[in-house]
Amino acid sequence: DADVTQTPRNRITKTGKRIMLECSQTKGHDRMYWYRQDPGLGLRLIYYSFDVKDINKGEISDGYSVSRQAQAKFSLSLESAIPNQTALYFCATSARGSGTGELFFGEGSRLTVL
Amino acid sequence: QKEVEQNSGPLSVPEGAIASLNCTYSDRGSQSFFWYRQYSGKSPELIMSIYSNGDKEDGRFTAQLNKASQYVSLLIRDSQPSDSATYLCAVSSGSARQLTFGSGTQLTVLP
Repeated sequence: DADVTQTPRNRITKTGKRIMLECSQTKGHDRMYWYRQDPGLGLRLIYYSFDVKDINKGEISDGYSVSRQAQAKFSLSLESAIPNQTALYFCATSARGSGTGELFFGEGSRLTVL
Repeated sequence: QKEVEQNSGPLSVPEGAIASLNCTYSDRGSQSFFWYRQYSGKSPELIMSIYSNGDKEDGRFTAQLNKASQYVSLLIRDSQPSDSATYLCAVSSGSARQLTFGSGTQLTVLP
């Protein structure tokens, strides 16, 4: 089983719908992240959380919200999906003290907004 | 806006050759530098990290850092077809040491 698990792996939805992407990890890491990947743009940070009570906006947080339900669970929500949120979304974790450089990624959730 | 620039490629090298991947970054205060490899359809995985000027070798991989020139590179010696992937440069900076990723260089190693 993967250490960082994302659900769903693929989702097609319509403009205006609410979508939740879920991430759970068994690595015991405190830090969790949500990135999106678009062709030619690399990985961009949406939100990050250093512990259950610490949530921070990343580079591109507009249109997204997150919830850290437990140390092992970090969910990303799109309240009203729009087509330019079509992308590949990755959840990642890192250990405290790693300098945030060594990230462990989930397998990705491909979201298509029509 | 912190920027990390990479040539998108594609870069093609013959099997057994040295592949050279380059990355420049804009934030002079950046502290840590990383190379991730991403196979098609897969998630990124860390392959090298470097924190101080000079070279760091790990098997067939060598990372090179020049902070004065704001330049980091990855050399892959004796390239194999299994090295064909997209290589992402990532730079850590700021008080929270968040990673900024480049857009990646697609490498193809031809048998």
